[in-house]
Amino acid sequence: EAQVTQNPRYLITVTGKKLTVTCSQNMNHEYMSWYRQDPGLGLRQIYYSMNVEVTDKGDVPEGYKVSRKEKRNFPLILESPSPNQTSLYFCASSSGDGYTFGSGTRLTVV
Amino acid sequence: KQEVTQIPAALSVPEGENLVLNCSFTDSAIYNLQWFRQDPGKGLTSLLLIQSSQREQTSGRLNASLDKSSGRSTLYIAASQPGDSATYLCAVKAGGTSYGKLTFGQGTILTVHP
Repeated sequence: EAQVTQNPRYLITVTGKKLTVTCSQNMNHEYMSWYRQDPGLGLRQIYYSMNVEVTDKGDVPEGYKVSRKEKRNFPLILESPSPNQTSLYFCASSSGDGYTFGSGTRLTVV
Repeated sequence: KQEVTQIPAALSVPEGENLVLNCSFTDSAIYNLQWFRQDPGKGLTSLLLIQSSQREQTSGRLNASLDKSSGRSTLYIAASQPGDSATYLCAVKAGGTSYGKLTFGQGTILTVHP
């Protein structure tokens, strides 16, 4: 089944403790992206990647890092999480037409 | 900067009604437009994708239209069912490249009651 898989689905962490949210797609898509969703603000793009080793900032990149060492994987890294990064995170991939989204990761930073 | 607006913000209807959800965007230079469904706390499920050269797309009880020149799209749901209750999101992809950024509307929360 064609899908984007994110892990973990739920995560509660403390301020400053580094964490990684993994994202993997099995559709051989070149384009991958991370979004966060917040009440009243909707979905906003954090980072995106056009291909292996090619990444760029989206609208809200502060406090996040990404890497794209393999085509299928696009992890989101929070080096020093803060409470304002509490959000619902989505990974997405695309072949150039429509986007396929993962099931989301609900992150709480206390 | 592209802005996407969805009206209404919320809609409550009895089962069986036909309904229309509206999406408008400020920059008509889009590559395509995609409608998604999101259940509470869950991921986004793609419903329909309309390329900028197309006028409409249909899937089952769903029909989406696109008027790029006026910056509008509508999602028509026929014979609504309680299982259609969800948030519906409209997203436009920036023009000029097949890998443009998606800009989302705030969504329409739909409740279909029996």
